[in-house]
Amino acid sequence: QVQLVESGGGVVQPGGSLRLSCAASGFTFSSYGMHWVRQAPGKGLEWVTFIRFDGSNKYYADSVKGRFTISRDSSKNTLYLQMNSLKTEDTAFYYCAKAVGATVRTSFDYWGQGTLVTVSS
Amino acid sequence: QTVVTQEPSFSVSPGGTVTLTCGLNSGSVSTNYFPSWYQQTPGQAPRTLIYSTNTRSSGVPDRFSGSILGNKAALTITGAQADDESDYYCVLCMSSGIWVFGGGTKLTVL
Repeated sequence: QVQLVESGGGVVQPGGSLRLSCAASGFTFSSYGMHWVRQAPGKGLEWVTFIRFDGSNKYYADSVKGRFTISRDSSKNTLYLQMNSLKTEDTAFYYCAKAVGATVRTSFDYWGQGTLVTVSS
Repeated sequence: QTVVTQEPSFSVSPGGTVTLTCGLNSGSVSTNYFPSWYQQTPGQAPRTLIYSTNTRSSGVPDRFSGSILGNKAALTITGAQADDESDYYCVLCMSSGIWVFGGGTKLTVL
């Protein structure tokens, strides 16, 4: 069965950096696009970024463009989110989600359990 | 700025039918936006119900269905049960490849 396990969350100061990982199993990782979605405590869902199955195209929400970078390593079946210049408003649970298909215009079907990022001084 | 609209709250009686909607502040929602629906209970990760307008995700009972109604995407729950009481989110894919979530609908079953 599909499993997505996020890790790397924690507490970081404003302006700091953090790298999240998402270990994928139960499907052919190299054939599917992947998303990151976040949710501030008590708030709604916010789409963050997407990477195509082969890593050739990436899309970002305006709120993170230029600060966050999505990447993937198909040899390790792992998705990453490098977060730089973190702001207090980036505090959220971060979920990785498997896309239904290979490209951006397919939705998400499976989700991880999330990892909490807290940006605070 | 693109805003995806959802009813903030809705209530349904046990056994009843409810339709939640997902619209755009400007324009109509069509299948080209690949509307999808997610259910979330407090403290849990979202669960996919419907993707690409009307495709039910694996294991989702057929009392959940998706469609386009007028100028909005819609999620219909038929025969509502107590454990359907959750937050429901829709998401749309813009032509730029950016995905935008609605603010969510809090569904009460009573």
